[in-house]
Amino acid sequence: QVHLVQSGAEVRKPGASVKVSCQASGNSFTSDYMHWVRQAPGQGLEWMGIINPSGGSTRYAQKFQGRVTMTMDTSTSTVYMELGSLRSEDTAVYYCARDHDTFDAFDIWGQGTMVTVSS
Amino acid sequence: DIQMTQSPSSLSASVGDRVTITCRASQSIRSYLNWYQQKPEKAPKLLIYAASSLQSGVPSRFSGSGSGTDFTLTISSLQPEDFATYYCQQSYSTLRTFGQGTKVDIK
Repeated sequence: QVHLVQSGAEVRKPGASVKVSCQASGNSFTSDYMHWVRQAPGQGLEWMGIINPSGGSTRYAQKFQGRVTMTMDTSTSTVYMELGSLRSEDTAVYYCARDHDTFDAFDIWGQGTMVTVSS
Repeated sequence: DIQMTQSPSSLSASVGDRVTITCRASQSIRSYLNWYQQKPEKAPKLLIYAASSLQSGVPSRFSGSGSGTDFTLTISSLQPEDFATYYCQQSYSTLRTFGQGTKVDIK
């Protein structure tokens, strides 16, 4: 059974950057595309981007282009999402999610990481 | 990007009611449509994939239908544990997008 464990809550000042990790267990790490989704307080789900752990190719939502970087470490089965130039509107819970290779849906989610941006 | 529009944004219903939520895509997405359930302070849970396929372990009172641009999630008999927010998501494009969500609460 695949399990995704994310890093703990973070607090940053405006203009800073944050890096959130998501470690996978119980699967062949390089076989599953991984996505990042965020949810601001009281708001809906917002897709941020995708990383292919087999090779590291990425695609990002237009909204985050230039501010987000998704990377991976195959030795630890971990994917990372780094968001820079933080502003208060980036305060949100950030989730990683596995893209099932057969039916193109997010069947496994991390527990979420709260990122608070405040001066 | 493909825009996803859900309706209604919220609804009130009673236990045992039949509930229907609709989702419309800004272009044809064939059957690349998924539904998720989210409860407060929890990660979303996959209910339906490929428009009408029930995810393993999900109760059969949940069903999905549609193709092209118009889709429906139906809960045949609402149970207390079904009060939650529901999201549709297209997986036709690599650049995935979600609907804005439909909150189902108790009448």
